[in-house]
Amino acid sequence: TQLLEQSPQFLSIQEGENLTVYCNSSSVFSSLQWYRQEPGEGPVLLVTVVTGGEVKKLKRLTFQFGDARKDSSLHITAAQTGDTGLYLCAGPPTSGTYKYIFGTGTRLKVLA
Amino acid sequence: EAQVTQNPRYLITVTGKKLTVTCSQNMNHEYMSWYRQDPGLGLRQIYYSMNVEVTDKGDVPEGYKVSRKEKRNFPLILESPSPNQTSLYFCASSLMREQTPLHFGNGTRLTVT
Repeated sequence: TQLLEQSPQFLSIQEGENLTVYCNSSSVFSSLQWYRQEPGEGPVLLVTVVTGGEVKKLKRLTFQFGDARKDSSLHITAAQTGDTGLYLCAGPPTSGTYKYIFGTGTRLKVLA
Repeated sequence: EAQVTQNPRYLITVTGKKLTVTCSQNMNHEYMSWYRQDPGLGLRQIYYSMNVEVTDKGDVPEGYKVSRKEKRNFPLILESPSPNQTSLYFCASSLMREQTPLHFGNGTRLTVT
């Protein structure tokens, strides 16, 4: 069974600080997706990482896919209050299944 | 605008009173799925559908039913709701191609008393 564990579970920081969220698995994934869920809304895709070692940047957010494609990280530089939300990593369905695998989530609160 | 629409957004009901949460997508996606989200347990899949008339159980299907008579609609039915089904529910859809994302609705917060 494929599992994705995220750390930390909760994070409360001041505006302007940097932070990193981790998504780890013992299984290899063909790609990993990161979603952000804001209060009262459904998760929205931020990025998909596909190649081992890949780094993708989305403004102040930097996503990295591990070389072995078993882990990923999300780094936020100079966090803003608008970054507050639940961050989820997710793996796509493997061949023969139709289940996305979701991480346990990291709830981020950025204080003004 | 491409979207997944769920209704209602909020629902309070009593134990045993049948209810249906509707889900509709306008992106012609083959794949649709229902999740429940509970504190500390993350997103758990209830049922999914690969296409019209093709559905299968997810990780927590007990107490739920679904149907997929049309490609765009995937209602979630609770025949006899119980308090342990109090949760935040999300419908999602996708093209089910490699690397395509799930598109989520805005959620239905259900309270069963």
